[in-house]
Amino acid sequence: GAVVSQHPSRVICKSGTSVKIECRSLDFQATTMFWYRQFPKKSLMLMATSNEGSKATYEQGVEKDKFLINHASLTLSTLTVTSAHPEDSSFYICSARAFLAGETDTQYFGPGTRLTVL
Amino acid sequence: SQELEQSPQSLIVQEGKNLTINCTSSKTLYGLYWYKQKYGEGLIFLMMLQKGGEEKSHEKITAKLDEKKQQSSLHITASQPSHAGIYLCGADLHRNNAGKSTFGDGTTLTVKP
Repeated sequence: GAVVSQHPSRVICKSGTSVKIECRSLDFQATTMFWYRQFPKKSLMLMATSNEGSKATYEQGVEKDKFLINHASLTLSTLTVTSAHPEDSSFYICSARAFLAGETDTQYFGPGTRLTVL
Repeated sequence: SQELEQSPQSLIVQEGKNLTINCTSSKTLYGLYWYKQKYGEGLIFLMMLQKGGEEKSHEKITAKLDEKKQQSSLHITASQPSHAGIYLCGADLHRNNAGKSTFGDGTTLTVKP
């Protein structure tokens, strides 16, 4: 199957610092990855589409200077939360779009990163 | 209003009972996905449905797509404690949306032993 990993799984940081979250596709290449934010008992909110070798596409209302996305290779996308504040505390999940043999286009999700900003 | 509505919001059933979760879209469905999530963890892909009338099963979980009603249902037969979790439906609401999906708010399932 298609496995997506995220690192770190949990991070606690002080207000004003920056935090980098990594999303890796372990056994397949992903030209497109997605970054989501999930609030408690709520659904996933798409933040941005990460495209390998080009700029990320951000959803309306998401500050691109606040949430920096870099998709430097076909297996790695990073999300950096800059100058984090308590309101940025959330569960961040990435997914990678895979075209596996015998299957149609499917998104595979990472295990998520719990960010707590003090 | 939300583009993808799930019902019920939460469900508590006795082990061994059957249950159904619904996902209704306000727009045409070009693809419908079901995922399971444990709190604080990532999403586990269950099934994808694309054609009207399509029905897929995985172990004791069956999902159907009613294209005309823009609705999908997820049915669990003889529920077990291992089925507990949050079930999310996701959908492609545009013909060419570059893989982006819209998600419902989820249904939290509790199975009492």
